[in-house]
Parts: sequence; C-alpha cells; structure tokens
Amino acid sequence: EVQLVESGGVVVQPGGSVRLSCAASGFPFENNIMHWVRQAPGKGLEWVSLITWDGGSTYYADSVKGRFTISRDNSKNSLYLEMDSLRTEDTALYYCAKDSNEYYFDYWGKGTPVTVSA
Amino acid sequence: DIQMTQSPSTLSASVGDRVTITCRASQSISRWLAWYQQKPGKAPKVLIYRASSLESGVPSRFSGSGSGTEFTLTISSLQPDDFATYYCQHYNTYSRTFGQGTKVEIK
Repeated sequence: EVQLVESGGVVVQPGGSVRLSCAASGFPFENNIMHWVRQAPGKGLEWVSLITWDGGSTYYADSVKGRFTISRDNSKNSLYLEMDSLRTEDTALYYCAKDSNEYYFDYWGKGTPVTVSA
Repeated sequence: DIQMTQSPSTLSASVGDRVTITCRASQSISRWLAWYQQKPGKAPKVLIYRASSLESGVPSRFSGSGSGTEFTLTISSLQPDDFATYYCQHYNTYSRTFGQGTKVEIK
C-alpha cells in the first residue's frame, strides 16, 4: 500500500524558515518524480515544486522560486521542502504527492500545516 | 505560463442530475489534463487523466472529454457521495497548473 506521511508543519514568524519532510513507502520511491502541493485555508490547490527521480532536476512555481528548495534522499525514501523567507501568504496545508507514469498525481499524503504569522 | 479556468465556480444540483464542469486552457495543451475530486478535510483524488482515461477504481458515471483548450468533466447521474470540489489540472515536464475549482453543492 502506498503511503506518504508529511511532517514538520509549524507556526512561524514572517521571514522565518521551515523544513518539511515526507516519508514514502509502498512503492519504488527512487523511480518516481515527487511533488509538493499546497492549499491555503478555504482556497484551491497550488502546485509548489517537483523533483525528478534522481534529484537532478527541480522546478518551482513562480510564487516560491528562490525561497523554497525541494530535495530528496532515495536511501531514506524521503522528500523534503526547505522553506525560507516565509510570507503570510505561504500559510497553507502542504501535501506531498507522487507522480504517476502519466505525470498526474496518483497518491497524496494527508498534508502538514504551515502557518506564517507574527 | 498556461492558465486553467474552470466554470462554473459553484454548481447546485440534485441527486440523479447530469452535471458538466468545463475547464479551459489559455493555450493548447493537447490532452495533458487530469481531473480531481476533493472532499472537505481530505486530500484530492484523481478521477480522470489524459483528458478522458478513467483512473482505476473510479465509478463509470465519471467521464472526461476534450482536447486542445476546452475540456469537460461529466457526472452522468450525481450520487450523494459526489458532492465535493472538482479541480482540473494541466501537466507538462516542468510544472503542474490547477484550475480554481468547482464546488458541487446539494440543490
């Protein structure tokens, strides 16, 4: 059974930093593109970032480019999101999502909440 | 960047109704489109990929069509479990883009 479990969500002040983690199991993690997707309270879904299977390529939404860094450790079946220079508009539930072979998201975690507030 | 626009934003319908949601892309995206269902407090669930392919385990009352810039998600006979928010999503090598969502409410 595929499982994605996010952790690291916290309340942080504007300008602060947070590191999110996602523990994956039930599939060959090293073979899959992985993503972070977020959802602000009461709002829609926003794709944040993706990383290729070997970590060789990373892509970001314009809203987070230069502030967030996605990474992975295939030896630990883990995905990470380093979030710096946080803004109030980064407040959201952050989901880890697995990419299918057809480039859509076929599995999601339950999400971890990040609140940016003074 | 490609923008995805869904309509309507909210839809009121009754059990048994045929429901259609539209998603328009700001430029041609071929058939690189997926549809998701999200219920309150839950992660999204994929329904349709590649514009019209039904994900395994998804009821056959859900169907997708379209190509290029205009796509539709149809629920042939709305069931109580289908009241939720639906999102379209474009995908390419470098990014993923969601529509703003369509909430299907009980009439």
